Amino acid sequence: GAGVSQSPSNKVTEKGKDVELRCDPISGHTALYWYRQRLGQGLEFLIYFQGNSAPDKSGLPSDRFSAERTGESVSTLTIQRTQQEDSAVYLCASSLDQVFSENEKLFFGSGTQLSVL
Amino acid sequence: KQEVTQIPAALSVPEGENLVLNCSFTDSAIYNLQWFRQDPGKGLTSLLLIQSSQREQTSGRLNASLDKSSGRSTLYIAASQPGDSATYLCAVRSDSTSGTYKYIFGTGTRLKVLA
Repeated sequence: GAGVSQSPSNKVTEKGKDVELRCDPISGHTALYWYRQRLGQGLEFLIYFQGNSAPDKSGLPSDRFSAERTGESVSTLTIQRTQQEDSAVYLCASSLDQVFSENEKLFFGSGTQLSVL
Repeated sequence: KQEVTQIPAALSVPEGENLVLNCSFTDSAIYNLQWFRQDPGKGLTSLLLIQSSQREQTSGRLNASLDKSSGRSTLYIAASQPGDSATYLCAVRSDSTSGTYKYIFGTGTRLKVLA
């Protein structure tokens, strides 16, 4: 596609429910990142994919959070038993990740605004 | 642990002024640094990427410099325009010795250019 696409753009859920957030990276981009941005705060790293594997999961805040990527394309971030503190904008980014190249620029989606009531 | 700080947190300038945004990082073992702009309700747009071996990058009215040894980068915006109003973020990726691949973001500088 022309850019990174995230869906849904907005999600309102009740505490305790599970949610799935989807990211469609730019075609051919091997690297994919998930970040979280709470209101008025900076970007918080969650997980990094290289192809379909995740060599860096160090930012996942608890075992309620998981992510997968298939076909070196679409990624899904799943949050189980949502809590109010999970409310945030979840941002996905992708890049070609070619070493020492302008192609390492990150391209971000517009994000999913998650509200847990 | 890498920490990224941006100063000032907010800046308001009249149109036409040249301005400098600052970014500092605590660990000089970086792989690259990117500057982004974030508009309300939208994702981030990458403006400039500087590799660890480079000193600066330019794109139009934007110039970013990198002094890795002192842990600093600056984003220079020439002849500012109201359309430049946004939050500017810098992000640092550590080199391979860190065992991590993530970009660490600063909290940003909120810029307002007055017409």
